[in-house]
Amino acid sequence: GAGVSQSPSNKVTEKGKDVELRCDPISGHTALYWYRQSLGQGLEFLIYFQGNSAPDKSGLPSDRFSAERTGGSVSTLTIQRTQQEDSAVYLCASSLGRVAGLNTGELFFGEGSRLTVL
Amino acid sequence: AQKITQTQPGMFVQEKEAVTLDCTYDTSDQSYGLFWYKQPSSGEMIFLIYQGSYDEQNATEGRYSLNFQKARKSANLVISASQLGDSAMYFCAMREGGGNQGGKLIFGQGTELSVKP
Repeated sequence: GAGVSQSPSNKVTEKGKDVELRCDPISGHTALYWYRQSLGQGLEFLIYFQGNSAPDKSGLPSDRFSAERTGGSVSTLTIQRTQQEDSAVYLCASSLGRVAGLNTGELFFGEGSRLTVL
Repeated sequence: AQKITQTQPGMFVQEKEAVTLDCTYDTSDQSYGLFWYKQPSSGEMIFLIYQGSYDEQNATEGRYSLNFQKARKSANLVISASQLGDSAMYFCAMREGGGNQGGKLIFGQGTELSVKP
């Protein structure tokens, strides 16, 4: 597709269940990011993948959160044993990665996955 | 420590007037980039403008300009001739480190701008 694609767009789950959120970045983009946005709040950095480098996991809030990126493309964010405080919109973004010339390395965002934990 | 600070939770501006949204940042890196994004009520994130730390001139994109004051570590967004469609949340973000390989972006808490007719 032309843009960053995220699925599901909405997910309602029960406390304690595991959820998986998928992100399909723009073709050719080497960098992929996950952010969390609670209602009316800013974007909280979760994890960043750049090419084949080890991901920057410094934003993951607990060991219940994990993410992987297969084949340098699609990424899955997994939340285990969900809690009510995990309810938020999870935004994925991708970028060309390299910053050179006119390329600012701007992020292109998907429409997000809204997670509601009951 | 807060890396990006947006001190104005909400702002009002009259249609056709100019408005400045404040952003200050904290970094010890010499190479970094500053971004502004707009998030309307629909939720999409729209890239507005970019300023590199080595850029000597303030960035401009149409009605948007970035007032970059490096010594003060501020990167304020100026919107000229406000329109009703400018009503949205505005986020300032910084990419530090990473060199030309990019790097993670850290966002501020945002400023909600309301344009009055």
